[in-house]
Amino acid sequence: QVQLVQSGAEVKRPGSSVKVSCKASGGTFSTETISWVRQAPGQGLEWMGRITPMLGVANYAQTFQGRVTITADKSTTTAYMELSSLRSEDTAVYYCARDVVQGVIFVGFDPWGQGTLVTVSS
Amino acid sequence: DIQMTQSPSSVSASVGQRVTITCRASQDISRWLAWYQQKPGKAPKLLIYAASSLQSGVPSRFSGGGSGTDFTFTISSLQPEDIGTYYCQQATNFPPGVTFGGGTKVEIK
Repeated sequence: QVQLVQSGAEVKRPGSSVKVSCKASGGTFSTETISWVRQAPGQGLEWMGRITPMLGVANYAQTFQGRVTITADKSTTTAYMELSSLRSEDTAVYYCARDVVQGVIFVGFDPWGQGTLVTVSS
Repeated sequence: DIQMTQSPSSVSASVGQRVTITCRASQDISRWLAWYQQKPGKAPKLLIYAASSLQSGVPSRFSGGGSGTDFTFTISSLQPEDIGTYYCQQATNFPPGVTFGGGTKVEIK
């Protein structure tokens, strides 16, 4: 049973960067795909991007292209999401989640990490 | 990008009542749609994938249907523990990307 445990809450200044970690256990990390999804306070869900550690290649939502970097460390079974040039609108809970696939078709996210609150404030 | 329009934005029903939520995609997504439940302060939980397949461990009162651009999610008999916000999510591979509906808040009357 895959479990995802994320790093703790962060408070950042506008213009800085934040790096959130997501440690996986109970599965075969290198062959899984891990996505990042964020949720601003009182708002809906927004997919940011994903990485498959075995391939080492990430792809990103257009909205975040150039500002987000998703990486993975196979030796520690940990995925990372770094968001730069932070602004107040980036205040949100950031989730990691495992891609569920049927064959090679992505069908959903399960499980999810517990979420990491990132607050951007001067 | 594929847009997902979910309705209603909120619904209030009595315990035991049937609740139905709809989700419309801006283009044909075949059956590549998932449904999630999110309780306050918690991460979303996958309930349905591929439009109508029930995720392991999810109660059978939850069901999904549809294909192409129009989808439905139904709770056949609403229970107190079902309160929360429900999201649809399209899961096409091309173009790569994932989008969610705006959510439906389910409350007990």
